Amino acid sequence: LAKTTQPISMDSYEGQEVNITCSHNNIATNDYITWYQQFPSQGPRFIIQGYKTKVTNEVASLFIPADRKSSTLSLPRVSLSDTAVYYCLVGDDPTDKLIFGTGTRLQVFP
Amino acid sequence: GAGVSQSPSNKVTEKGKDVELRCDPISGHTALYWYRQSLGQGLEFLIYFQGNSAPDKSGLPSDRFSAERTGGSVSTLTIQRTQQEDSAVYLCASSLRASGADTQYFGPGTRLTVL
Repeated sequence: LAKTTQPISMDSYEGQEVNITCSHNNIATNDYITWYQQFPSQGPRFIIQGYKTKVTNEVASLFIPADRKSSTLSLPRVSLSDTAVYYCLVGDDPTDKLIFGTGTRLQVFP
Repeated sequence: GAGVSQSPSNKVTEKGKDVELRCDPISGHTALYWYRQSLGQGLEFLIYFQGNSAPDKSGLPSDRFSAERTGGSVSTLTIQRTQQEDSAVYLCASSLRASGADTQYFGPGTRLTVL
């Protein structure tokens, strides 16, 4: 049963790069790693997903080391609108309940 | 088409009453998930459906909670004899398949307040 651990909160300033790391020591061979973003009073929304190495899209990058026991979400040049809670989700088999971690509350300051 | 919708958006009820929360998933999505989120907390998984079947109901917090899905589409989460600790936002999500490889699309949630 994959379980994730993330920092509870992080602070940053506009224009900086933010890296949020998620630990998932019990990740299984078939598990994917997915990151979601949640704004207040809204449901989470998909940011990025990866299985191994590095994935990049228009909003973020995801770095996954060879052992896959952790992953790092990288947000380049954050803005105030990136203030949100970020969740790391690990799983493949739905019997693992696709457990969301506690989330990391990112606060971006001007 | 449209995203995941949930109704009602807000529900205020008295302790001991039953409530029904509805989720309309994205058309064609076979998997549907229910989560609960208390104020300032993370997401607590409740149950998922693959088609109309719920293979694992162990995430439901008590036997007062039940859920069903009909026609592989709409799902209803029912809470009987509501308690104040049931107050939370109930989120529904759907995905193409019940797999961690498939993106979950979340609805706006139903905010339940039990007085």
